[in-house]
Amino acid sequence: GAVVSQHPSRVICKSGTSVKIECRSLDFQATTMFWYRQFPKQSLMLMATSNEGSKATYEQGVEKDKFLINHASLTLSTLTVTSAHPEDSSFYICSYDGVGEQFFGPGTRLTVL
Amino acid sequence: SQQGEEDPQALSIQEGENATMNCSYKTSINNLQWYRQNSGRGLVHLILIRSNEREKHSGRLRVTLDTSKKSSSLLITASRAADTASYFCATDAGGSNYKLTFGKGTLLTVNP
Repeated sequence: GAVVSQHPSRVICKSGTSVKIECRSLDFQATTMFWYRQFPKQSLMLMATSNEGSKATYEQGVEKDKFLINHASLTLSTLTVTSAHPEDSSFYICSYDGVGEQFFGPGTRLTVL
Repeated sequence: SQQGEEDPQALSIQEGENATMNCSYKTSINNLQWYRQNSGRGLVHLILIRSNEREKHSGRLRVTLDTSKKSSSLLITASRAADTASYFCATDAGGSNYKLTFGKGTLLTVNP
């Protein structure tokens, strides 16, 4: 399957700062990709769907002004958590749509102090 | 309500035994997929079964799908300690953007 990387793998920040997470597809180009959030011992919850060249579609309850998604190219997408707070601490996972199969990144563990 | 509910939530077995996990969903699907996640890591795609399929095998994995009951099962035979992980089912309802809805997962512990 396709290889997807995320950077950073782990980040600790102070409350109020913004954190940018990168998601790269290393050997695959896709117009559609997804960002998920996973709280401890819980399942993955879809946050947003983004299509290259257009605005992301956010799931209900996810603030678009807080979680900024930039789908810069067919191989790079970024998620910026703006003014992060402790309740934003979570595991963030991206995936690229491979036409019926999704290829997931290894995840980014965000801890907001 | 959440699509894709697995049971049991946690399962502990001895090495060599079989492990069966179940998943139920509520709406029509295009396909159902099973994923594995080691603690704090990303997801590994295990197997995909389409709505017109009833059973699929991959190595020690066997997946069944009953669309009339809106349920699926994942069987891991001859389990190994390395199979210890969380297992999630995810449903794809079709449409143009292949959104997946994940279940709550089953934490499988295989004791050596």
